[in-house]
Amino acid sequence: KNEVEQSPQNLTAQEGEFITINCSYSVGISALHWLQQHPGGGIVSLFMLSSGKKKHGRLIATINIQEKHSSLHITASHPRDSAVYICAVQPNDYKLSFGAGTTVTVRA
Amino acid sequence: SAVISQKPSRDICQRGTSLTIQCQVDSQVTMMFWYRQQPGQSLTLIATANQGSEATYESGFVIDKFPISRPNLTFSTLTVSNMSPEDSSIYLCSVDTREVTDTQYFGPGTRLTVL
Repeated sequence: KNEVEQSPQNLTAQEGEFITINCSYSVGISALHWLQQHPGGGIVSLFMLSSGKKKHGRLIATINIQEKHSSLHITASHPRDSAVYICAVQPNDYKLSFGAGTTVTVRA
Repeated sequence: SAVISQKPSRDICQRGTSLTIQCQVDSQVTMMFWYRQQPGQSLTLIATANQGSEATYESGFVIDKFPISRPNLTFSTLTVSNMSPEDSSIYLCSVDTREVTDTQYFGPGTRLTVL
């Protein structure tokens, strides 16, 4: 069983809709990352969380350490948000364990 | 922030040959990592590149197949040796800059196709 489980695997939304991606993990961590990967392959780090909530523009990330769960929300989604979103957890060193990713497609 | 560049961005190689991928960072960083992303899969850590010492490889990856150099705090190379079609992947380097900022940065990736 993977240490990091993401849901859903795929998600299609209409422009303007609110999107939620969930991430559950089974190990103790010092931080959790949300990453965005566009079709060209490059990865952008969106958030690094160790507690609570972070917001950047239309993106909001939350984490509940006790429940070992995190969510990434996209408000007022736009076609340019179409990408693969990856949750990665960081145990007490520098290495990351990655989820399988959620493919998000936002239709105009 | 840290800006990472990789060369080449993509390549098509013949079976049995080797390819060296370069990773350049615009600031000095302690921790550099090399990842592989096979088609349709998530990222898998190949090794941690340590400056001034041998790289630390993860289970399933060996130095003879993936030799790594880290000559200084801003540069690393990964070589994919004696390639086979199974090595067709995206290879990414990343750096951990928590000494300066609170995040990890990824390079743009090298898309490798082995025929």
